[in-house]
Amino acid sequence: AQTVTQSQPEMSVQEAETVTLSCTYDTSENNYYLFWYKQPPSRQMILVIRQEAYKQQNATENRFSVNFQKAAKSFSLKISDSQLGDTAMYFCAFMAQGAQKLVFGQGTRLTINP
Amino acid sequence: DAGITQSPRHKVTETGTPVTLRCHQTENHRYMYWYRQDPGHGLRLIHYSYGVKDTDKGEVSDGYSVSRSKTEDFLLTLESATSSQTSVYFCAISDPGQGHEQYFGPGTRLTVT
Repeated sequence: AQTVTQSQPEMSVQEAETVTLSCTYDTSENNYYLFWYKQPPSRQMILVIRQEAYKQQNATENRFSVNFQKAAKSFSLKISDSQLGDTAMYFCAFMAQGAQKLVFGQGTRLTINP
Repeated sequence: DAGITQSPRHKVTETGTPVTLRCHQTENHRYMYWYRQDPGHGLRLIHYSYGVKDTDKGEVSDGYSVSRSKTEDFLLTLESATSSQTSVYFCAISDPGQGHEQYFGPGTRLTVT
């Protein structure tokens, strides 16, 4: 069974700083997908970014980028020029190819301070 | 935003009573899921459906049943609610033909007293 671990329960940074959230996973699969979801105080789950394991290039979406290290089974999220609206819980998630089921980490609560 | 609604959005019920949560989608996605969210655990899969009348268990299925009689509706039933089922419940949808992302509903906060 796959597991996803987020070792930072809480983080706090100043507005405009860069912050990196960590995620590691355990799997014997070779083909899979990785995701970061954001959950603001509204409770809505919002997809931030996705990465296909077969792609060597790290995914980027505006201020959000990932550092995907397949051999190390690591998938960190970097938020550049952080904004107050980035304050949220962030969840890392894993999906084996063909499984159509997500396995989530425990989450990291990120606070952006003015 | 994906068209996913959940009802009710909040519910308080007593131990031992049956409870049904409803998820409704307008996207015609094949897969539908029920998760529960608890502090320190992230989201955990309860049950999922891969088509009308086709369902399977997730990692925390004990005490829950589901039904899907139409593509757009996925029901989660707690036959006899317990305090350990106090949680926030999320429905999600996905379709393999349209990528691998799952899109989530707004959530239902259930309190069992």
